[in-house]
Amino acid sequence: DVKVTQSSRYLVKRTGEKVFLECVQDMDHENMFWYRQDPGLGLRLIYFSYDVKMKEKGDIPEGYSVSREKKERFSLILESASTNQTSMYLCASRPGGGPYEQYFGPGTRLTVT
Amino acid sequence: AQSVTQPDIHITVSEGASLELRCNYSYGATPYLFWYVQSPGQGLQLLLKYFSGDTLVQGIKGFEAEFKRSQSSFNLRKPSVHWSDAAEYFCAVGISGGYNKLIFGAGTRLAVHP
Repeated sequence: DVKVTQSSRYLVKRTGEKVFLECVQDMDHENMFWYRQDPGLGLRLIYFSYDVKMKEKGDIPEGYSVSREKKERFSLILESASTNQTSMYLCASRPGGGPYEQYFGPGTRLTVT
Repeated sequence: AQSVTQPDIHITVSEGASLELRCNYSYGATPYLFWYVQSPGQGLQLLLKYFSGDTLVQGIKGFEAEFKRSQSSFNLRKPSVHWSDAAEYFCAVGISGGYNKLIFGAGTRLAVHP
């Protein structure tokens, strides 16, 4: 089974802190994604990566950056957390090429106070 | 622009009743379509997918969905709902090319009465 893990299920940070959310997949997938999920808005794509060190902005990249130094790991970085970044963050991965489905991690619920 | 609409934000059904969750998409080319389910506090699990071929697709947990190109719809159905089906359901369209990103609908939250 594909397994996507996220470093924390719940996280509480203060405004202005630098926050790292980590995601690891064990299936050698080329593509990895970070979404945020808010009630009534569904999932919105923040960033995705199609290979090591390669990244593309999604629909809402402002206030976020990402890092992919190894194929299995994709990190989301909030350089200076703000209260409007309080949300559920979901990581996903999929094989490269073709219309494959995405496999999701359990999510990290981030609260910024 | 590509988009997915799930017209029903909340749906409540009785256990044992039938279920249909609606999904409409806007996409110029042949879509890849998915239904995911999210139980409380969990990530998303794939229920079923449509890429091509038979327009009626079967998924896990007794769910099925029908692709209707003329209506730009991909509705999810289940003949008899169980209490454990209470969850949030997301429809998504896969964008061919562009690394096959997914565009998600806003979700439908299903409540099941005993």
